[in-house]
Amino acid sequence: NAGVMQNPRHLVRRRGQEARLRCSPMKGHSHVYWYRQLPEEGLKFMVYLQKENIIDESGMPKERFSAEFPKEGPSILRIQQVVRGDSAAYFCASRQGLNQPQHFGDGTRLSIL
Amino acid sequence: AQRVTQPEKLLSVFKGAPVELKCNYSYSGSPELFWYVQYSRQRLQLLLRHISRESIKGFTADLNKGETSFHLKKPFAQEEDSAMYYCALQETSGSRLTFGEGTQLTVNP
Repeated sequence: NAGVMQNPRHLVRRRGQEARLRCSPMKGHSHVYWYRQLPEEGLKFMVYLQKENIIDESGMPKERFSAEFPKEGPSILRIQQVVRGDSAAYFCASRQGLNQPQHFGDGTRLSIL
Repeated sequence: AQRVTQPEKLLSVFKGAPVELKCNYSYSGSPELFWYVQYSRQRLQLLLRHISRESIKGFTADLNKGETSFHLKKPFAQEEDSAMYYCALQETSGSRLTFGEGTQLTVNP
């Protein structure tokens, strides 16, 4: 099992552009979580998705951010009109069953010029 | 709201010395607690969870509900234990994780 795969590992965008971050969960995992880590801070929860459903988006900024986990394909975290403050490491985690722990990907480091 | 506090950002010990990484939490219910570790250039990985009550790589952690703590301990630190350690809380099974800010452990030879 290859583990949780995130791409790209590094993404550079200019202010105003869109950023798309992808996460392929571990095989057999249908639950996906996104976390953000700002410089010098811990990981902060953003959103929890199950196939085709958003379960908890209480950590998502109200504007410009959206997430999806379609029936087929990876989960996507989309940031529109990026600003400098969006520069961070974005981590994806997946889990299998209810009592199973979350497994993390390597993260995507987003830099905004 | 739930909160996890790791009071030490940096912790340095010598090889063979005991090590304790502190974690305190605030939550009114009965959460599940975890320790995750991130070695240099590697992804975040689960070290242990309190419901397993097991020892991984010589590390143990006991949930103290009275003191709302979940400190990570190892009696004899090794150089390969040098890493970033995160304590995390989960309100209910399957819900989001709330992380502390992490403690960077350095074990000196």
